[in-house]
Amino acid sequence: QAVVTQEPSLTVSPGGTVTLTCGSTTGAVTSGHYTYWFQQKPGQTPTALIYNTYNKHSWTPARFSGSLFGDKAALTLSGAQPEDEADYYCLVLYGGAWMFGGGTKLTVL
Amino acid sequence: EVQLVESGGGLVQPGGSLRLSCAASGSPISSYWLIWVRQAPGKGLEWVANIKEDGSERNYMDSVKGRFTISRDNARNSVYLEMNNLRPDDTAMYYCARGRFDAWGQGTLVTVSS
Repeated sequence: QAVVTQEPSLTVSPGGTVTLTCGSTTGAVTSGHYTYWFQQKPGQTPTALIYNTYNKHSWTPARFSGSLFGDKAALTLSGAQPEDEADYYCLVLYGGAWMFGGGTKLTVL
Repeated sequence: EVQLVESGGGLVQPGGSLRLSCAASGSPISSYWLIWVRQAPGKGLEWVANIKEDGSERNYMDSVKGRFTISRDNARNSVYLEMNNLRPDDTAMYYCARGRFDAWGQGTLVTVSS
């Protein structure tokens, strides 16, 4: 069974840039995996930031972007703000079923 | 703006059953895939199941196959999750979500314990 991999934790300075990645133990993550990215703050429900690898929802801040980076999907945050400190999860499609990564705890410090 | 409200959670013994409901208001759900996602206390998100707009396709995570059944009633603007043979590791907050995860409910807590 596939496992979706994410960095357990990352730290970024205010105003800095950070890239979170989302890999798969079965091989490269491609656009055909229709990757989603979610942000979850403590005590809150998740919020979808990116869908289908690249696309933003209307509420997604412009500083977030989705892409493919080598053999992984990636979420790049450019110009980090203190309110971006949160857990971030990717979600990857395998056939008809989906699988979340373990999440990345992002600290803005 | 659609609102999703889950119900049906609670405390159940191992081997027991529960039926979760998710009712939508403010917008019809008939044009959307519907999804259940869970999160164990202090843990990450787990995708549980989804169902196509007309109910013709359903998919499940491996650990719930044969135990959980997702269904929907578009006339009632609702989606359901029938959970049987529950195990302690099914303990989690269960969320329903719509389509491209553009709407989520607040969740209903399921606790499986003797």
